[in-house]
Amino acid sequence: KAGVTQTPRYLIKTRGQQVTLSCSPISGHRSVSWYQQTPGQGLQFLFEYFSETQRNKGNFPGRFSGRQFSNSRSEMNVSTLELGDSALYLCASSPGTGGTSGSYEQYFGPGTRLTVT
Amino acid sequence: DQQVKQNSPSLSVQEGRISILNCDYTNSMFDYFLWYKKYPAEGPTFLISISSIKDKNEDGRFTVFLNKSAKHLSLHIVPSQPGDSAVYFCAASGRAGGTSYGKLTFGQGTILTVHP
Repeated sequence: KAGVTQTPRYLIKTRGQQVTLSCSPISGHRSVSWYQQTPGQGLQFLFEYFSETQRNKGNFPGRFSGRQFSNSRSEMNVSTLELGDSALYLCASSPGTGGTSGSYEQYFGPGTRLTVT
Repeated sequence: DQQVKQNSPSLSVQEGRISILNCDYTNSMFDYFLWYKKYPAEGPTFLISISSIKDKNEDGRFTVFLNKSAKHLSLHIVPSQPGDSAVYFCAASGRAGGTSYGKLTFGQGTILTVHP
């Protein structure tokens, strides 16, 4: 099976702009979670989508949003970019259904490196 | 509020010896734990996991031990190889008390260096 793919891999934006990142999960996986990694805060959970619905949300401002399509692909959007949004954005996919062994592992993509200037 | 802690920022071991990476958690609602390996500018790679109904899980050179009463888990790598050099993250998830299996809470990571 192909792994999780993320596009673009690198992005440079200016403060105040908005950005959209894309994630294609492993075939058959219905859950997509997004994380932000920064040197100061580590890996932090943004949100999770399952069957086109946001199932969980982390403690990020409303400028961070996402959506999931019927084919389980997901996008996240950051509006009004700030310098502090510079980070590695990671998405991860999992089957998303509980109760069976191996259903809770999340498999990560390579990430999108966002630099805000 | 650091719910998952990896208190050792770094660990250095000799090739062929055992590497032991430690992780502590505070949220008793966590019931599923995972270890990931990460290289710079790449996504984490899943290594091994353990459910709270077990106290040990083994996969090849990797073994994870869970001590629920102490809220502590550890990853053992035997024998260690130079290719194991990376940052190791432990992560926790759960189903109740505001947690979710879709949300992983990560520790800060431990840099493992295996010397030839």
